[in-house]
Amino acid sequence: AQSVAQPEDQVNVAEGNPLTVKCTYSVSGNPYLFWYVQYPNRGLQFLLKYITGDNLVKGSYGFEAEFNKSQTSFHLKKPSALVSDSALYFCAVRDYGNQFYFGTGTSLTVIP
Amino acid sequence: GAGVSQTPSNKVTEKGKYVELRCDPISGHTALYWYRQSLGQGPEFLIYFQGTGAADDSGLPNDRFFAVRPEGSVSTLKIQRTERGDSAVYLCASSPGAVGPRTDTQYFGPGTRLTVL
Repeated sequence: AQSVAQPEDQVNVAEGNPLTVKCTYSVSGNPYLFWYVQYPNRGLQFLLKYITGDNLVKGSYGFEAEFNKSQTSFHLKKPSALVSDSALYFCAVRDYGNQFYFGTGTSLTVIP
Repeated sequence: GAGVSQTPSNKVTEKGKYVELRCDPISGHTALYWYRQSLGQGPEFLIYFQGTGAADDSGLPNDRFFAVRPEGSVSTLKIQRTERGDSAVYLCASSPGAVGPRTDTQYFGPGTRLTVL
């Protein structure tokens, strides 16, 4: 079965510090991995995706994610956090069909 | 260009009533998805359309839920005999869908918050 785990419900980081939001996955075959961000009362916004190629993927708003096949992880990272990055972050994996399987989300709070 | 839009943004109904939720995808996107997001959870897949046909409806929880996309653009999610457990945010997403749907990015609408009293 396909699944995604986000082990941290909440991540707090000081403004200007690097941030990491963790994601591990389980999927049959090649994983297609995505990160989305959700702001209050707004829809999910696409940040980045891994399909194939370079393990380090760069996305919107300065975010990047590293695909690690041996650890089945796809952690989201940013070198310097902004207060405006505070939001709910979802990792998702696409299986051989068309469904997205989402994690339960990680709430990121950047402290000024 | 315009993104995915959903109407209404909020819907309050009574148990047992019928509701319709509408989704307008990004123009030209052939693939359309419906998800349901309960409080504290990630979105859960309901149904996927490619053009006018439902290519995968395996996520619909029961036969009270039905969705249509008669002209391959706008889609309507229909819920009959609503129950309190149907309360959630219903999200719609679209993607180009023409080539390599597995790698397509899905673009989400703001959602419809359904409350069943």
